[in-house]
Amino acid sequence: GAVVSQHPSWVICKSGTSVKIECRSLDFQATTMFWYRQFPKQSLMLMATSNEGSKATYEQGVEKDKFLINHASLTLSTLTVTSAHPEDSSFYICSASAQGAADTQYFGPGTRLTVL
Amino acid sequence: AQTVTQSQPEMSVQEAETVTLSCTYDTSESDYYLFWYKQPPSRQMILVIRQEAYKQQNATENRFSVNFQKAAKSFSLKISDSQLGDAAMYFCARSSGGYQKVTFGIGTKLQVIP
Repeated sequence: GAVVSQHPSWVICKSGTSVKIECRSLDFQATTMFWYRQFPKQSLMLMATSNEGSKATYEQGVEKDKFLINHASLTLSTLTVTSAHPEDSSFYICSASAQGAADTQYFGPGTRLTVL
Repeated sequence: AQTVTQSQPEMSVQEAETVTLSCTYDTSESDYYLFWYKQPPSRQMILVIRQEAYKQQNATENRFSVNFQKAAKSFSLKISDSQLGDAAMYFCARSSGGYQKVTFGIGTKLQVIP
């Protein structure tokens, strides 16, 4: 089956620093990748949708200058949390699909970000 | 706002029994996709089953089946012969925006009792 990896699986950083999270589709080409945020015991909140080679589409309320998304190739998307603050601490999950949201999304294992 | 509603925060089922998880949704679109995803304690999201709205036939996947009622905007998941490994959070989801994104419900926590 389709496999999506995420790296790192967890990261702890100091307030004010930037953190980059990578999302890779290992055995298929992902035309679309999605970035979600999940708070404890809550659902997934879509942050942004990115298509390879174009700018990401951010959901309302998500700061695009704070959460930088790059989808440079059909197998790699990155999320950079800039100037991280404790309120950015969360579980970040990426997913990838070959044909957008109509197609099945394959999820990465998630990244736990803790900002001190 | 177009939403996905899961009215059962928690459910429990005896091992080998059958359980049904409820989901209703709101949409103004005629074509869309519906999904059930499972999130075990490892937090890895796993697709359980997928339904295309233009298909009347209910999707099935081994022990998992859905009851899709398009007019009622209802999409329930039935798990037959429940196994301990079925214990997880189950999220109902719907595509929207011309298939550009997926909206998730808040989830139902399923407990399987040995």
